[in-house]
Amino acid sequence: KNEVEQSPQNLTAQEGEFITINCSYSVGISALHWLQQHPGGGIVSLFMLSSGKKKHGRLIATINIQEKHSSLHITASHPRDSAVYICAVREPGGGADGLTFGKGTHLIIQP
Amino acid sequence: NAGVMQNPRHLVRRRGQEARLRCSPMKGHSHVYWYRQLPEEGLKFMVYLQKENIIDESGMPKERFSAEFPKEGPSILRIQQVVRGDSAAYFCASSPSREPPGAFFGQGTRLTVV
Repeated sequence: KNEVEQSPQNLTAQEGEFITINCSYSVGISALHWLQQHPGGGIVSLFMLSSGKKKHGRLIATINIQEKHSSLHITASHPRDSAVYICAVREPGGGADGLTFGKGTHLIIQP
Repeated sequence: NAGVMQNPRHLVRRRGQEARLRCSPMKGHSHVYWYRQLPEEGLKFMVYLQKENIIDESGMPKERFSAEFPKEGPSILRIQQVVRGDSAAYFCASSPSREPPGAFFGQGTRLTVV
């Protein structure tokens, strides 16, 4: 079973700062997801990655398959980016058919 | 992800009652996943269903919990004789196929057992 670790658990930053959230996993995967959960709890899928890098607006996600590591970056952070960011992985082949999740990174962007 | 509809958004049940949570997947999606988020914990996989079939229920508690996804209508997660420890947010996600698994999430149902 995959162990998914996120760091940091909590992050408070000032508006405009460059943010990096890290995710490491223990077993090879077929895909990795970054999710965003706002207060009030709805979950939005930000990215799905199997290799390389993806960019959407101010968000950038990278993955290094060999190192079993992914990062989510937020450029020019804004208070509306305050949320919990969750990394989730999908194992190829056997195991539970769903995703295995990290515990999330609580991000607060102060104005 | 607005296309995955869960209802109710909030559900309060007394201990011993039954809770029924509904999930309508996005149009064209026949694969549904249920996840549970306990307070201060991460999301945990519960069950994966395709139309009329349970594919993987390895994350479901062995007693009191059941799930179905009938040919017509929404997927239902049913919790019988609820206890306080069942209080959590329950999320449904859907997908058009098995690979990749659902990452189109609903807004969740927050169950409170009093």
